[in-house]
Amino acid sequence: QVHLQESGPGLAKPSQTLSVTCAVSGVSISGSENYWSWIRQPPGKGLEYIGYISHTGYTDYNPSLRSRVAISADTSNNQFSLMLTSVTATDTAVYYCVRDRGWGFFDFWGQGILVTVSS
Amino acid sequence: DIVMTQTPLSLSVTPGQPASISCKSSQSLLHSDGKTYLYWFVQKPGQSPQLLIYELFRRFSGVPDRFSGSGSRTDFTLKISRVEPEDVGIYYCMHGMHVPRTFGQGTKVEI
Repeated sequence: QVHLQESGPGLAKPSQTLSVTCAVSGVSISGSENYWSWIRQPPGKGLEYIGYISHTGYTDYNPSLRSRVAISADTSNNQFSLMLTSVTATDTAVYYCVRDRGWGFFDFWGQGILVTVSS
Repeated sequence: DIVMTQTPLSLSVTPGQPASISCKSSQSLLHSDGKTYLYWFVQKPGQSPQLLIYELFRRFSGVPDRFSGSGSRTDFTLKISRVEPEDVGIYYCMHGMHVPRTFGQGTKVEI
């Protein structure tokens, strides 16, 4: 069974960098045609797609965040990470890591981690 | 970006009765490969979203057959044939045609 688990600081200061990691079990992130994705949800609001890293290491991002976001993979530990720079209060959200089997087939989601941007 | 628009934004239903949610996309979601990359998710209270329907009408593993998806190109519908109490939550449609995937605003279903 595939399992994803987010971890990281629950607090980030304005103008600094938010960092969240997703540990994956049950499947190798480099071993099959999957797209390891990040989606966020501000408190009480809807879902926003951030981007993905593929099993080959290719990345693609939401243009609205592209200048501030980077997704990377650590294949030795079977995990992938999100970094978002120059954060403001509007980046406060629950961040979900998700497996995309392609074309938006989001079949496995992590439980989510709330990151609050505040001084 | 493709804009996804859901109606209604909230829905109060009686157990055992049917329910229907509409979703419209600003561009056709019919790909040249013949598939329609339209998805439905539900987010139950306090939980992560979970996949219900993929590629327009295919039910994901374990999804009860009271859920069905239909539509074409830009107009889509999620139907629940007989609502159960455990169906409460927020339902989202989403396109998978390209990055960025975009979601509808969500429809809150209450009993």
